Amino acid sequence: ETGVTQTPRHLVMGMTNKKSLKCEQHLGHNAMYWYKQSAKKPLELMFVYSLEERVENNSVPSRFSPECPNSSHLFLHLHTLQPEDSALYLCASSQWDRRSYGYTFGSGTRLTVV
Amino acid sequence: KNEVEQSPQNLTAQEGEFITINCSYSVGISALHWLQQHPGGGIVSLFMLSSGKKKHGRLIATINIQEKHSSLHITASHPRDSAVYICAGRGAQKLVFGQGTRLTINP
Repeated sequence: ETGVTQTPRHLVMGMTNKKSLKCEQHLGHNAMYWYKQSAKKPLELMFVYSLEERVENNSVPSRFSPECPNSSHLFLHLHTLQPEDSALYLCASSQWDRRSYGYTFGSGTRLTVV
Repeated sequence: KNEVEQSPQNLTAQEGEFITINCSYSVGISALHWLQQHPGGGIVSLFMLSSGKKKHGRLIATINIQEKHSSLHITASHPRDSAVYICAGRGAQKLVFGQGTRLTINP
């Protein structure tokens, strides 16, 4: 257990389904991130939330919709996904200031779109 | 070309060997992270360093800011060290990742 908990660990969904990924941290961090890891590719940053405000969106398709209701919880809402969206989705948290650089990652949600 | 490049991409060695994984970066960074990813996906942060050298157990990480290069060394490698090792440069509040090095240690 790293301090960042992601659920579910595995998810299989059809292209017409709507599902949500959940991330939770109780480390006192004030920034949370969604990363996508596709096979044989570096991790790609999707979204950054700092102080519950989205500060970065790396041109992610609108079928991915993030939500950060408070500093401890982060969601990724999924709808009408494509098979190429199958990947490992990782959540991370950190402290948003220059004094602390530590990142903590969750175990990831392995998503398969059929 | 990736902003953060690792070599080698794959490395297989025998138990007990000394392992070196290299990371070069072309972007300005304030710190460099070494991460370990086990099968199943979970990522663990091993080191964060902005200068010099850090050691934790059998793991040693070094960074040369002028040459924009970092290395991760594993002494007396063990099969449980088998994992993907990822270096990541910290830019403006985000990480830029290398593609990872898959390390396999055979008994």
